[in-house]
Amino acid sequence: GQQLNQSPQSMFIQEGEDVSMNCTSSSIFNTWLWYKQDPGEGPVLLIALYKAGELTSNGRLTAQFGITRKDSFLNISASIPSDVGIYFCAAKGSGGSNYKLTFGKGTLLTVNP
Amino acid sequence: DADVTQTPRNRITKTGKRIMLECSQTKGHDRMYWYRQDPGLGLRLIYYSFDVKDINKGEISDGYSVSRQAQAKFSLSLESAIPNQTALYFCATSDVGQNQPQHFGDGTRLSIL
Repeated sequence: GQQLNQSPQSMFIQEGEDVSMNCTSSSIFNTWLWYKQDPGEGPVLLIALYKAGELTSNGRLTAQFGITRKDSFLNISASIPSDVGIYFCAAKGSGGSNYKLTFGKGTLLTVNP
Repeated sequence: DADVTQTPRNRITKTGKRIMLECSQTKGHDRMYWYRQDPGLGLRLIYYSFDVKDINKGEISDGYSVSRQAQAKFSLSLESAIPNQTALYFCATSDVGQNQPQHFGDGTRLSIL
C-alpha cells in the first residue's frame, strides 16, 4: 500500500535554531498536509499544499509540495519552546481515493530553552 | 478542534467488554472518520462515512464496528475488546471535495486490561 517515509523520527534542538523535516513516498499524491500534535490533543492542521512546486508559509512555518508530487518538506524558523510536539505529514491521492489520508509516522520535536 | 468532540477522553476496561466511543461535530461536515494511533506508527484509518448511514472499511477495521445515524455523530464500537486494541483513538471530519482537509478531535485514550 501507499506509505510515507517521514524523517527524522525525532529532533532535539536549542531554542532559536531552524528545523527541517521531510516526507517521501514512491507514490504520487495530489495534496500534502502537515499537522502538529500536542500532548493530550488531536492533530491540528498547520499547512495544506495543493499544487506541485507550491511553497506556502504560515508564520515561522514554511512547507513545499515537491515537484515530483512524491515528497514534501516542512521548515520551522527560529524555534521556540511551544514548537514542541509531534509533526505529521499526510497526503491524499485523487479520484476515488481523494478522501483517504495516508500519514507519516511523525517527527518528535523537542526544543531546549 | 473544539468543534469535534470525543467522549470519553479516557477509558480503562477489561478484555471481552463491549466499548463504545462517541464523536460529535458542529462543523456541518458530511464526512467523518475514525483513526487509531499507536506509538511510532502514525494514524491508521479504521472506518469512514461519507453521509448518514454510509459506512466504509478502512485499513484496520477488523474487531471494530461503527454507526452513523445522524450527520453530526459517528460512533465506534469494540464488540469484544482485546488488549492489542489499547491505543489512542481519533475522530476526524471533513467537508466534501478533494482539497478539504480533515479536522481532528482531541482523542480517546483506551486501555484494555
